[in-house]
Amino acid sequence: QVQLVESGGHVVQPGRSLRLSCAASGFSFSSYGMHWVRQAPGKGLEWVASVWDDGNTKYYPDSVKGRFTISRDNFKNTLYLQMSSLRAEDTAVYYCAREPSRHSRYFDYWGQGTLVTVSS
Amino acid sequence: QSVLTRPPSASGTPGQRVTISCSGSNSNIGSNTVSWYQQVPGTAPKLLIYSNDQRPSGVPDRFSGSKSGTSASLAISGLQSEDEADYYCATWDASLNAYVFGTGAKVTVL
Repeated sequence: QVQLVESGGHVVQPGRSLRLSCAASGFSFSSYGMHWVRQAPGKGLEWVASVWDDGNTKYYPDSVKGRFTISRDNFKNTLYLQMSSLRAEDTAVYYCAREPSRHSRYFDYWGQGTLVTVSS
Repeated sequence: QSVLTRPPSASGTPGQRVTISCSGSNSNIGSNTVSWYQQVPGTAPKLLIYSNDQRPSGVPDRFSGSKSGTSASLAISGLQSEDEADYYCATWDASLNAYVFGTGAKVTVL
């Protein structure tokens, strides 16, 4: 069965960096677009980053552009999110999610999430 | 080009029908398909509806989606206690070049 397991969430000081990982199993990882979505405490869902199946095309919202970098290792079946210059407003649970096909524009499987807390 | 969910909260007794709507614009709902997600507090979101009105396997047919113009709706008929959750719509916004989520709606089963 499809499994997505995030890790790497931590308490980190403002301005520092952190890398999240999402280990995928149960499907052909290299054939799917992957995404990161976050949820601040008590708030709604916010899309954070996307990468196509080949790893070459990436999208970010303005709120994280230039600070966050999404990448993937199709040999290790792992998705990454490198976050730098972290701010208090980046505090959230970060979910990785799968898009079933290119341009399908929805997420069919989600991981359980990993909590990032940005605080001094 | 935000997507607003109305009402932000809805409630009903078991067996009743509840409807939630998302209102967007031509650049998002008006020109792209809509998906809906259910999130029980403390858990990850779960896909409920995709491509406006399609249910993934395993999702009860009590859940139905529709779209008209720049609005989309999720209906829950025969409300059950396990339907108590937050519900989010989502779509692609061609102007922002971004996925956008609705503001969310909390459904309470009385």
